[in-house]
Amino acid sequence: EVQLVESGGGLVQPGGSLRLSCTASGFSISSYWMSWVRQAPGKGLEWVANIKQDGSEKYYVDSVRGRFTISRDNAKNSLYLQMNSLRAEDTAVYYCARDLGYLAYMDVWGKGTTVTASS
Amino acid sequence: SYVLTQPPSVSVAPGKTARITCGGNDIGSKNVHWYQQKPGQAPVLVISYDSDRPSGIPERFSGSTSGNTATLTISRVEAGDEADYYCQVWDTNSDHYVFGTGTEVTVL
Repeated sequence: EVQLVESGGGLVQPGGSLRLSCTASGFSISSYWMSWVRQAPGKGLEWVANIKQDGSEKYYVDSVRGRFTISRDNAKNSLYLQMNSLRAEDTAVYYCARDLGYLAYMDVWGKGTTVTASS
Repeated sequence: SYVLTQPPSVSVAPGKTARITCGGNDIGSKNVHWYQQKPGQAPVLVISYDSDRPSGIPERFSGSTSGNTATLTISRVEAGDEADYYCQVWDTNSDHYVFGTGTEVTVL
């Protein structure tokens, strides 16, 4: 079964850091772009970042560029999101998604992990 | 940045047709994809590339685009179709995915 499982969410003080992980099963992430998408409480979906198969290209939404870093370890079949200088507005459920690339869509999603930036 | 605008809510009686619009500048020239999200669940793709239905999605779901509007149509609506629906494109100017503002579909 094709599956994505996120982990690493939690409560962190504003200004703090957190590292999210996403482990895939049932397919090899080395063949796919991968994305992170978030959803603040009661709000809509917001794409955060994506990364090419070999890690050579990365794109970020403006609000996280310079604070968040997306990375991958194809040998471990895992995707990561390092989040630094967290703000209250980063509070959201973070989803990992398989990304079919340029002009395309996300066809497999994890269940999400919750990040809360609050004092 | 590119903006996709959806109506906040659509209400429809069972068995009727729901139409959810997604407005964006020259959206007809882009590839539009649609997701369904039920409360507490991850999004699920229901339409890709304007009008393609992924495997397992009922034929009652269809999509179209024209000019500045994309439309997701749900025919013969069922109670199980109650959910939030989002359109999505890739904006080539910013190299960003962009999601629509989302539409809550209520079955009366």
